Amino acid sequence: KQEVTQIPAALSVPEGENLVLNCSFTDSAIYNLQWFRQDPGKGLTSLLLIQSSQREQTSGRLNASLDKSSGRSTLYIAASQPGDSATYLCAVIGSGNQFYFGTGTSLTVIP
Amino acid sequence: NAGVTQTPKFQVLKTGQSMTLQCAQDMNHNSMYWYRQDPGMGLRLIYYSASEGTTDKGEVPNGYNVSRLNKREFSLRLESAAPSQTSVYFCASSPSQRGVAGYEQYFGPGTRLTVT
Repeated sequence: KQEVTQIPAALSVPEGENLVLNCSFTDSAIYNLQWFRQDPGKGLTSLLLIQSSQREQTSGRLNASLDKSSGRSTLYIAASQPGDSATYLCAVIGSGNQFYFGTGTSLTVIP
Repeated sequence: NAGVTQTPKFQVLKTGQSMTLQCAQDMNHNSMYWYRQDPGMGLRLIYYSASEGTTDKGEVPNGYNVSRLNKREFSLRLESAAPSQTSVYFCASSPSQRGVAGYEQYFGPGTRLTVT
């Protein structure tokens, strides 16, 4: 069974700092990896989707990388802002059409 | 374009009561999913439907049933609610087709269920 781990569980940084969130998975036979953002009491919003054939994806201040062979992905957030405060989740999908989620990293950006 | 919608937003049940959570998507997606989210446990898949007319168990299916009513709608039923089913329930959809994995997953706003 696929296991997805996110470290750290919580992170607090001052505004303007660049930061990296980590996601690791045990089964490298994945098709996609997707990063989400979840605000308190809300649903999940998709941030970036990386196909298994890709190494990275970028959207604005966000950059996600994927290394399938080592079972790792990172989400890089540049010039963090208080509005970036949220929980960030990664999910992988492999054969069987099932998504497996990590437990998330709770990010607080201090003004 | 509403995306994925869920009803109700909040619900309180007594132990033993039954209810159905409704989910609909207007993106013509093939796959639909039901998850529950509990503190410290992350999102866990309850059931999913890879295409209209098919359903499969996920990680935590016990105590739940599902119906893929048509391509748009996927409902989750609790036949006899238990306090352990207190959770936040999310519905999601994806354009992926059976045998062709991939594509993004889109989530609804969630249903907060409390069983007393």
